[in-house]
Amino acid sequence: DAGVIQSPRHEVTEMGQEVTLRCKPISGHDYLFWYRQTMMRGLELLIYFNNNVPIDDSGMPEDRFSAKMPNASFSTLKIQPSEPRDSAVYFCASTPGRGNTEAFFGQGTRLTVV
Amino acid sequence: AQKITQTQPGMFVQEKEAVTLDCTYDTSDQSYGLFWYKQPSSGEMIFLIYQGSYDEQNATEGRYSLNFQKARKSANLVISASQLGDSAMYFCAMRETGNSGYSTLTFGKGTMLLVSP
Repeated sequence: DAGVIQSPRHEVTEMGQEVTLRCKPISGHDYLFWYRQTMMRGLELLIYFNNNVPIDDSGMPEDRFSAKMPNASFSTLKIQPSEPRDSAVYFCASTPGRGNTEAFFGQGTRLTVV
Repeated sequence: AQKITQTQPGMFVQEKEAVTLDCTYDTSDQSYGLFWYKQPSSGEMIFLIYQGSYDEQNATEGRYSLNFQKARKSANLVISASQLGDSAMYFCAMRETGNSGYSTLTFGKGTMLLVSP
């Protein structure tokens, strides 16, 4: 397996634009996590899915953020409208099942909103 | 309350010396897992070591060992014989299930380790 794949790797957009980040988890993994990393807040858990179902989105900062997982091999994180304070690195990670197993991370998407 | 606390924003160590990175955690679960990840300047998250809450022995992986003290709820990472390539950000993380029956993964704020020649 190629690992967790995120796209794009870098995104620069203007304030007010819609941004969509994409993630392909490792095949067979039941859990998918979205994190945001900033210098000030570290790695924040935004939302996670189990078997494509959103379980906890309490970490999503505002209604401008939304995430979907239409099938087991694809998830999106959308920001609409984007703001400069959304600039961060967004990571997607997947894990195989509920057991205490490590999470496999994608390379991250570095988002810059100007 | 924070689930994972890493009290050292930054640590310095000389090459070939050992260093301990601190991590304390907070959970009411009986079954949980503790992890350490390394994030070099290139940005990727690299899994280093795992300790299960029921494991009686401290986990070891090469130069990495995890000093697990369950009663104190601490899971410190020990890196022996530091190398220049160990310079990176290190994150402690916890996997717990809780009452929901679903498993979450929470990270600390990280410790920046710098290894000097």
